[in-house]
Amino acid sequence: ETGVTQTPRHLVMGMTNKKSLKCEQHLGHNAMYWYKQSAKKPLELMFVYNFKEQTENNSVPSRFSPECPNSSHLFLHLHTLQPEDSALYLCASRLSGEITDTQYFGPGTRLTVL
Amino acid sequence: GQNIDQPTEMTATEGAIVQINCTYQTSGFNGLFWYQQHAGEAPTFLSYNVLDGLEEKGRFSSFLSRSKGYSYLLLKELQMKDSASYLCAVGNSNYQLIWGAGTKLIIKP
Repeated sequence: ETGVTQTPRHLVMGMTNKKSLKCEQHLGHNAMYWYKQSAKKPLELMFVYNFKEQTENNSVPSRFSPECPNSSHLFLHLHTLQPEDSALYLCASRLSGEITDTQYFGPGTRLTVL
Repeated sequence: GQNIDQPTEMTATEGAIVQINCTYQTSGFNGLFWYQQHAGEAPTFLSYNVLDGLEEKGRFSSFLSRSKGYSYLLLKELQMKDSASYLCAVGNSNYQLIWGAGTKLIIKP
């Protein structure tokens, strides 16, 4: 596989469930991102990891918990979510130090919280 | 505050030209990006401007005026496959990307 992959592509969960989203990049990048995309709203940056270290946490509720075991893998652990958390969750990666700062995105996980 | 403004939706005809505008106010500036996102798919990189002027890449061109906080994406010879959302994003002084809500472009035959 090439590029940035995300699993699952679709997820339906109840408010009491615990689930995890997975992202994997095959580009040799060293920075990874989680974004939330809601309909007709700008992309919301949630977390940033550089060289496996978390460098940004944009006031995200603790019911979202990221994990970055190495520079190729990124997880988002979900627990006791709310219906308003339903959205498309996008993972992106970047080669830190690139002047253009271009981010490459995965296809996203469409999350529905019942 | 930081914000990016772009039209919510635009409609154009196959074969025509369309210009999608983006205005921004950010703390610092480290380049402006345009991404294309087809429904249900990942955003894909289209262009990057850091200096004033026009960058041309095939049927797509992107323009930047830093003094006006303004950019546009110009799409020529529109094809049905160009129907997508176009996202404008600006890199701020912390090298974070600040995103617009996207412009949904509808192409009609």
